[in-house]
Amino acid sequence: EAQVTQNPRYLITVTGKKLTVTCSQNMNHEYMSWYRQDPGLGLRQIYYSMNVEVTDKGDVPEGYKVSRKEKRNFPLILESPSPNQTSLYFCASSLAAYGNQPQHFGDGTRLSIL
Amino acid sequence: KNQVEQSPQSLIILEGKNCTLQCNYTVSPFSNLRWYKQDTGRGPVSLTIMTFSENTKSNGRYTATLDADTKQSSLHITASQLSDSASYICVVSDGLQKTSYDKVIFGPGTSLSVIP
Repeated sequence: EAQVTQNPRYLITVTGKKLTVTCSQNMNHEYMSWYRQDPGLGLRQIYYSMNVEVTDKGDVPEGYKVSRKEKRNFPLILESPSPNQTSLYFCASSLAAYGNQPQHFGDGTRLSIL
Repeated sequence: KNQVEQSPQSLIILEGKNCTLQCNYTVSPFSNLRWYKQDTGRGPVSLTIMTFSENTKSNGRYTATLDADTKQSSLHITASQLSDSASYICVVSDGLQKTSYDKVIFGPGTSLSVIP
């Protein structure tokens, strides 16, 4: 089954404790992206990757890191999480970064930073 | 500034009734507009995609319209079902870099509740 898989689905942690949210897709998509979703704000892009070893900042990259060493994986790293990073996070992938390609989303990771 | 606005913010309708959700955007230049459905606890799922030249697209009981002149889109849901309860998100892509990367701008969504 074609899917985007995120782990963990839920995480409660404390300020400053490094964490990684994994994202994996099995559709051989070139483009992958991370978003955060906050009430009333819609989805905002954190980082995106157009292919292996190619990553770039989205609209809200501060406090986050990503890597794209393999085509299928695109982990999101919070080196020193803070309470303002408490949010619902989505990973998405698409065949290409342009044109009429729909994005396929994972089911989300709810992070709570205390 | 490129923005996407949606109305209403939330909507409650009776099962079997029709409803229309609105999306206004200021994104320019325009590449395409998509509607996504997001069930509670799940990621968004694409319903329709429309380019500049398309003004109507259907997906089952969902029909999206686009007026590129007024920069408005609507999503019409016919004969609503309980499973239509979800958030509906309008997403507009700009066409600044046609061959490399389309920046997508998400609307805040409309929360629809269908009640028996």
